[in-house]
Amino acid sequence: AQSVTQPDARVTVSEGASLQLRCKYSYSATPYLFWYVQYPRQGLQLLLKYYSGDPVVQGVNSFEAEFSKSNSSFHLQKASVHWSDSAVYFCALSRSNYQLIWGSGTKLIIKP
Amino acid sequence: GGIITQTPKFLIGQEGQKLTLKCQQNFNHDTMYWYRQDSGKGLRLIYYSITENDLQKGDLSEGYDASREKKSSFSLTVTSAQKNEMAVFLCASSIRTGYAEQFFGPGTRLTVL
Repeated sequence: AQSVTQPDARVTVSEGASLQLRCKYSYSATPYLFWYVQYPRQGLQLLLKYYSGDPVVQGVNSFEAEFSKSNSSFHLQKASVHWSDSAVYFCALSRSNYQLIWGSGTKLIIKP
Repeated sequence: GGIITQTPKFLIGQEGQKLTLKCQQNFNHDTMYWYRQDSGKGLRLIYYSITENDLQKGDLSEGYDASREKKSSFSLTVTSAQKNEMAVFLCASSIRTGYAEQFFGPGTRLTVL
């Protein structure tokens, strides 16, 4: 079955600390993977995407993600978080029929 | 760049009422989507339209109708609003390829009294 799992509903980190948000997927074919961010009362914005090639992809606002086929994972990382990174982060996998499979989201809370 | 506009931003209806949400995009994208987002949950696809004259059901289409009036606009109708229903409806668009990233509007927040 095709699925995306974000095992952490909430993650709290201190400002300036490093961050990893986890995403695991289940998909038999080559996955096309995305990370989106949703700021309060707003729609979703694309952070980064992975289609093929280098397993480490760079995104906006110094976010990056690493694709691992062996671990079926696509974790999001940032070296040093800022208070403005507080938001909900969604991992998604693209099926070939225009439909995205969405994770349930991880709420990131930044402590001052 | 482009933008997706959703109207209204807030929609309050009565139980059993038919309610319509509208979406406009100026990306010139072929494909448009309607999602429902419940608090603390991921997005669930209601309807999508690959091209101007196409309409496809998603996993959550029961209780909804959709209409693609023209390339730039896509409407969603809640056919009979359910009491205590509260969700955010998100419209998105993309180029016409099965793997494309989607661009989202700010959402319409629905409350049913």
